[in-house]
Amino acid sequence: AQSVTQLDSQVPVFEEAPVELRCNYSSSVSVYLFWYVQYPNQGLQLLLKYLSGSTLVKGINGFEAEFNKSQTSFHLRKPSVHISDTAEYFCAVTKSGGSNYKLTFGKGTLLTVNP
Amino acid sequence: EAGVAQSPRYKIIEKRQSVAFWCNPISGHATLYWYQQILGQGPKLLIQFQNNGVVDDSQLPKDRFSAERLKGVDSTLKIQPAKLEDSAVYLCASSSDRGSSPLHFGNGTRLTVT
Repeated sequence: AQSVTQLDSQVPVFEEAPVELRCNYSSSVSVYLFWYVQYPNQGLQLLLKYLSGSTLVKGINGFEAEFNKSQTSFHLRKPSVHISDTAEYFCAVTKSGGSNYKLTFGKGTLLTVNP
Repeated sequence: EAGVAQSPRYKIIEKRQSVAFWCNPISGHATLYWYQQILGQGPKLLIQFQNNGVVDDSQLPKDRFSAERLKGVDSTLKIQPAKLEDSAVYLCASSSDRGSSPLHFGNGTRLTVT
């Protein structure tokens, strides 16, 4: 089975500052990794995903994440955040292979961007 | 394309009552998921359908929860009887069978059990 640990439950930052949201995973098999964002009273929206290939993955809204197999991490970064980035961010993992994902989510990180 | 549709958006019931949620996935998506998201936690998979067959329901509390996906399209999730700890957001998601297809989520149904 896979598991995900999001190391920070809340991350407050100022607008235009860089941000990193940390995610570590545990798995005995190869994995796919995802970051989702959830705005208030909405469902989850895919930010980016790592399936294979380049370990640096670029997503929507200027976010990127780097897969580090040796450290079993998949941290999310953005060089300059906006007020509109305020939301809950979830890291998720599933075993690789196949086309139907049984995602295991972390508990989420609430990113608050202050003016 | 139209997104995943869920209804109702909000539901308040008393414990021991029953409730049902409805989900219509994106057209053509063969796989449908129901997730439970308790406040302060990440979503937890309850059940996964492939067309109208169940792929995984290992975390579905079958003594009170049931789900069906007739005709392989829309789906209903039912709770009977509800408990206080069932208060959560119930998210439906769908994906196609193409390789590497991500999950698309609906806006969820927020259930409050009093």
